[in-house]
Amino acid sequence: GAGVSQSPRYKVAKRGQDVALRCDPISGHVSLFWYQQALGQGPEFLTYFQNEAQLDKSGLPSDRFFAERPEGSVSTLKIQRTQQEDSAVYLCASSFLGLAGVSRETQYFGPGTRLLVL
Amino acid sequence: KQEVTQIPAALSVPEGENLVLNCSFTDSAIYNLQWFRQDPGKGLTSLLLIQSSQREQTSGRLNASLDKSSGRSTLYIAASQPGDSATYLCAAPYSGAGSYQLTFGKGTKLSVIP
Repeated sequence: GAGVSQSPRYKVAKRGQDVALRCDPISGHVSLFWYQQALGQGPEFLTYFQNEAQLDKSGLPSDRFFAERPEGSVSTLKIQRTQQEDSAVYLCASSFLGLAGVSRETQYFGPGTRLLVL
Repeated sequence: KQEVTQIPAALSVPEGENLVLNCSFTDSAIYNLQWFRQDPGKGLTSLLLIQSSQREQTSGRLNASLDKSSGRSTLYIAASQPGDSATYLCAAPYSGAGSYQLTFGKGTKLSVIP
C-alpha cells in the first residue's frame, strides 16, 4: 500500500508570503504528526492530531503556524507571513492507533517538504 | 523534558566492518526507543523499535539494545555495506503527558567506503 505522501516536495517562498503544505497519511491511520527539521538537526515536534481533533499544538513556534485535518485524513500545515527562520524540512508522520496506544507503536514518515524562504 | 544525544556525529568505515552507533537519553521513563534511517532528500524509515520491557531487537544485520537504567541505546550494524550509508537517528518519546511526541537526536551520518 501507499505510504505517507507530502506535497509540494520543494517550495521557495519570498519572505512575507503565505504557504500551505499538504500531507496524505496512510489510509486508516488515526494519528497524524507534523515535525520540523532544520539543517543538521533532528526533527522537532510541531503538532498532533487524533482523527480531526488537534490534541496538541505545543510545538508550533508562533501563531503564524496553523494546522488542520478537517475530515480526519488529509492535513494541511499553513505558515503565514513566512520568515527566513522558517526555512526547514517539514515532515508529516502517521500511525494506526489513537491517543491510547500511539506511544507504543512506530510512526511512518513522509518524504518531507523542503521550504526555503528568501 | 527529554533530551537525546547521539555520538559520533559522523562516522566513516570501510565496507565489511562492524560498527556501533550510540544514543543517550535523559529521561528513562520511556515507552520505547526507536532507530530511524534518513537518506538525503527522503523521509525517515523506521529500522527498529524497542519496547521498554525489551532489552534488544534484531532485524537482519541490525541489532539495537536498550538500557533504560543508564539511559543508553546502541545500534550495531554487522558487515557494513555501501548501501548502509545514511544518517541514523534515534528517538525517544517524551514521558508523561504528550508521550506520543518523539524527541530526536541530531543523528549520526554514516559513510561506508567500498
